[in-house]
Amino acid sequence: QQPVQSPQAVILREGEDAVINCSSSKALYSVHWYRQKHGEAPIFLMILLKGGEQKGHDKISASFNEKKQQSSLYLTASQLSYSGTYFCGTEDSNAGKSTFGDGTTLTVKP
Amino acid sequence: KAGVTQTPRYLIKTRGQQVTLSCSPISGHRSVSWYQQTPGQGLQFLFEYFSETQRNKGNFPGRFSGRQFSNSRSEMNVSTLELGDSALYLCASSSTGTGIGYTFGSGTRLTVV
Repeated sequence: QQPVQSPQAVILREGEDAVINCSSSKALYSVHWYRQKHGEAPIFLMILLKGGEQKGHDKISASFNEKKQQSSLYLTASQLSYSGTYFCGTEDSNAGKSTFGDGTTLTVKP
Repeated sequence: KAGVTQTPRYLIKTRGQQVTLSCSPISGHRSVSWYQQTPGQGLQFLFEYFSETQRNKGNFPGRFSGRQFSNSRSEMNVSTLELGDSALYLCASSSTGTGIGYTFGSGTRLTVV
């Protein structure tokens, strides 16, 4: 089953923070996050494996709550370059099949 | 390191025809997945191949098929094209297929007229 992302869209000013959530109805093995700009391929941001870890690089980080089957992506002090559609992909315990959410469109304005 | 290469980038086909799309994964990656992306449906999983075997399949009709060769290159075939097959088809490769992020190709934009 497809994970559910929220919100569907968010508009920010440069420097503001945003949180994008990804929820699944199934037990998860991993959650991964991607950003896609218009007309381009999705770019891998990070992956979180079960175990409740948190990861981050630069001002983008994510957490994974295995019990709640949820992951959240945190974007702090957003920059114009953060604009795009963010997708979460989830894998259950079966190998090799990732299911993606419908995406969250993030627009950062000057 | 070369990225994931998909060919062709753009394709226009007529209803009823068939089409073959190609994907060359990153060297050393043995898992190749295919996705259909449309504005209303997001990224829909088609199938995944690992070491020449189809390991997973999404909920698409049998008109959609694929295969993987010994060098990990993959092809996707759609027969008897329908207007609704117009979409961006993305291929993604990963090093093991489990718990590892994917590298996507730029996609093939298929238009069925």
